[in-house]
Amino acid sequence: GAGVSQSPSNKVTEKGKDVELRCDPISGHTALYWYRQSLGQGLEFLIYFQGNSAPDKSGLPSDRFSAERTGGSVSTLTIQRTQQEDSAVYLCASSFQGSRDTQYFGPGTRLTVL
Amino acid sequence: GNSVTQMEGPVTLSEEAFLTINCTYTATGYPSLFWYVQYPGEGLQLLLKATKADDKGSNKGFEATYRKETTSFHLEKGSVQVSDSAVYFCALSDQADSSYKLIFGSGTRLLVRP
Repeated sequence: GAGVSQSPSNKVTEKGKDVELRCDPISGHTALYWYRQSLGQGLEFLIYFQGNSAPDKSGLPSDRFSAERTGGSVSTLTIQRTQQEDSAVYLCASSFQGSRDTQYFGPGTRLTVL
Repeated sequence: GNSVTQMEGPVTLSEEAFLTINCTYTATGYPSLFWYVQYPGEGLQLLLKATKADDKGSNKGFEATYRKETTSFHLEKGSVQVSDSAVYFCALSDQADSSYKLIFGSGTRLLVRP
């Protein structure tokens, strides 16, 4: 079946612009996660959704970062007023309620802030 | 807090050599432990996992045993192939954390030469 998909695969933006990154989880997966992979920080957790609510936002690095999930499916990560340090690969993962410790990752969105 | 430490890379081996990548963890709760693999140009894939002490995870000839006494989860393979060249990430998920978010090590790049 279809895996986790993310769009765009690459995004180049100028400093100060807003960007939106999209994630389509595996159908039926109620849990959705955003992670960031950068050279300096490695792989780090950003936010967790269960259904449409986000009970764990502890990894969001600043108030410029926000995310939402609608219909228990698609999620959008928004970064406002992008900075060069936001350049990274943003990964989305989803998991099934009955096996929440097994997460399936999408291919990621590579964000470059010039 | 929870953390994962894995050996620095890159690790360079000849084909058919024995592989060990060390991973140790610190956790306040009851972690599940994972190895993820990232092949060149691809997304993160779950390689194997173990959910309790003394469990052994295995897949594709790779093995790792959950050692609570040494807080370790070292990855091993008896005979590596060129196709095993990738970046390997050790990770934990604390079962006491309702989000089941993954905490990753820094990754170890493996290069296997013919």
